[in-house]
Amino acid sequence: GNSVTQMEGPVTLSEEAFLTINCTYTATGYPSLFWYVQYPGEGLQLLLKATKADDKGSNKGFEATYRKETTSFHLEKGSVQVSDSAVYFCALRGDSGGSNYKLTFGKGTLLTVNP
Amino acid sequence: KAGVTQTPRYLIKTRGQQVTLSCSPISGHRSVSWYQQTPGQGLQFLFEYFSETQRNKGNFPGRFSGRQFSNSRSEMNVSTLELGDSALYLCASSLGLAATGELFFGEGSRLTVL
Repeated sequence: GNSVTQMEGPVTLSEEAFLTINCTYTATGYPSLFWYVQYPGEGLQLLLKATKADDKGSNKGFEATYRKETTSFHLEKGSVQVSDSAVYFCALRGDSGGSNYKLTFGKGTLLTVNP
Repeated sequence: KAGVTQTPRYLIKTRGQQVTLSCSPISGHRSVSWYQQTPGQGLQFLFEYFSETQRNKGNFPGRFSGRQFSNSRSEMNVSTLELGDSALYLCASSLGLAATGELFFGEGSRLTVL
């Protein structure tokens, strides 16, 4: 079945540092890829997505590029802020019907940004 | 517009009891999905309901069940609670089937089993 592996946290950075959170996936066909973010005490929110190879999703200064050759969808931000402190989830949606046609999440990476 | 509402937000039960959690989706959304979130396993898919029918199911025992009403509100039930059922239960709604669009999550119901 489909699976998502993301780097284990926690990740602690200083404000204005560069952020990379690695995400790789296992899936057949052409899945869609997502990053969700969970701020403290809140539910998950969609951060960005990419639906086909070489697509780049971007939002709020975050970017991720769908790399089919390396089965990766790494999240990056050039300059993090304290307000970016949250748990980040990489997710995959299979492209076929049946049991694969649902969202599969990674375990999440806790990011803490210090002033 | 109002977001996804889950009740109760916190609850404590003892082993062997049962629990019912409720989820009210965003108005107009017809799909409700349920996830279990634990520190060790992360987010695990429980099931999805669309137009009152279960459309997809994860790998959880039969003690976990759900239903959806005609107004799209959903409930999940866990019977014969075990310590390992302690978790944050998240509900997510979407306009169409969950796989076709963006999911909107509630803040979750945190269940503690003693």
